[in-house]
Amino acid sequence: NAGVTQTPKFRVLKTGQSMTLLCAQDMNHEYMYWYRQDPGMGLRLIHYSVGEGTTAKGEVPDGYNVSRLKKQNFLLGLESAAPSQTSVYFCASSSDLNTEAFFGQGTRLTVV
Amino acid sequence: GENVEQHPSTLSVQEGDSAVIKCTYSDSASNYFPWYKQELGKGPQLIIDIRSNVGEKKDQRIAVTLNKTAKHFSLHITETQPEDSAVYFCAAIPSGGYQKVTFGTGTKLQVIP
Repeated sequence: NAGVTQTPKFRVLKTGQSMTLLCAQDMNHEYMYWYRQDPGMGLRLIHYSVGEGTTAKGEVPDGYNVSRLKKQNFLLGLESAAPSQTSVYFCASSSDLNTEAFFGQGTRLTVV
Repeated sequence: GENVEQHPSTLSVQEGDSAVIKCTYSDSASNYFPWYKQELGKGPQLIIDIRSNVGEKKDQRIAVTLNKTAKHFSLHITETQPEDSAVYFCAAIPSGGYQKVTFGTGTKLQVIP
C-alpha cells in the first residue's frame, strides 16, 4: 500500500518557468490538500479538494493552480515560478474532514 | 483566524528522559488536535490525536493532554529513545476540517544517547 505518492521529489526551476507537481493516493480518500513548508513556519494550506472535480483556495493560493480530474490524483501547477515559491511542498489526503491526514514525502522546489 | 503557538522550538533530552512539547491555540471552535512527527526527508506522520471531548489520551510512551479552558494541549513522550529524534508539529482543526487547519511552527527534538 503506497499511500500518498508525490512526483517529483526534487526540482530546480528558473524564474518564469512552469511546472506541475503530481500527487497520487491509493486510499480512495475524498479529501486532498496541498501545503507548503517554509523554515520557521508551520505547514500552510495552498489549495484543497473535497472530491473529484472540485477545488478550493486555502491560506496561500496566489501563484498556484490545481486540478482534481480523477479522485486519486491532485495536481499543483506553477504557471510562472518565482523565487518566493522556493519551498517544500506536501500533498495530503484524508477520508473525512476531521480524521487523520496522510502526507506524501514532499517535493523540494528551488526557484532560481 | 486561528493562531497556534508551539514551544519550545528545539529540545534536547538524554535518552530515557521525558520530553514535553506545548501548544496554545486561540480559536475556541477548534475541536481536533493532531500531533505529527516528521523525520528528516519525510512527510509528517500522525502519532497521536485528541478531540475536544477528551482530556487525555495515551498510546504506549506517548500521551497528549488537552485543557480546553486554557486553550492549550501538550505532547508527552516518556522514556525517550534516539529514534524519537525528529520535528514534531501540533495542529488545531475546527469543525470545518483540514481546510481550516492551523499548524504550529514545529519542535526539533534531539534525544542524546
